[in-house]
Amino acid sequence: DIQMTQSPSTLSASVGDRVTITCRASQSISSWLAWYQQKPGKAPKLLIYKASSLESGVPSRFSGSGSGTEFTLTISSLQPDDFATYYCQQYNSYWFTFGPGTKVDIK
Amino acid sequence: QITLKESGPTLVKPTQTLTLTCTFSGFSLSTSGVGVGWIRQPPGKALEWLALIYWDDDKRYSPSLKSRLTITKDTSKNQVVLTMTNMDPVDTATYYCAREWYDSSGYFPVDYWGQGTLVTVSS
Repeated sequence: DIQMTQSPSTLSASVGDRVTITCRASQSISSWLAWYQQKPGKAPKLLIYKASSLESGVPSRFSGSGSGTEFTLTISSLQPDDFATYYCQQYNSYWFTFGPGTKVDIK
Repeated sequence: QITLKESGPTLVKPTQTLTLTCTFSGFSLSTSGVGVGWIRQPPGKALEWLALIYWDDDKRYSPSLKSRLTITKDTSKNQVVLTMTNMDPVDTATYYCAREWYDSSGYFPVDYWGQGTLVTVSS
């Protein structure tokens, strides 16, 4: 299995802050990485696919970058609606795996 | 409009078998490249893929849970069924069904999810 890690596990930030979350894969996954946002009691929502492609309808303050084993999700200016947990997921291999998540909460 | 909805028991006893059904609309599991899978999330914990079935009956299972899982599809009913044997309290989680797909350029991540169903394992 390809193992995914994320850092930090929790991030405290204020509205307007620039926020960066890192995701690492245990082996190269090229650009086959997605980012999801999940709010309590809700299903995850796809934000970014293929490492840097913005899903339709997702605000442009979200961006993704990286390839190989290291990836980042950046929120350029944190909005009240962005406080949530973020997961990366690789879909390179036969079996897909998620990262452990990063919770973004209010500072 | 694409929708998926999970159904099944909310409470199962340890050692019992869990059967969950995903009923979907807005797409067909006979379309090339389309897949439907199951993902679970224990309370307060991370997401975990369980099983996935594609349009051509290609089936994939979590390596760690493979011996306990079976996924099947009924294309005519737009349903996918997951069975998980020998349930344990650690299997308490919200179980989601989700649509996944691929084309000649590669896979695409899940773009549609069900609302999820909480399954509690307790005697």
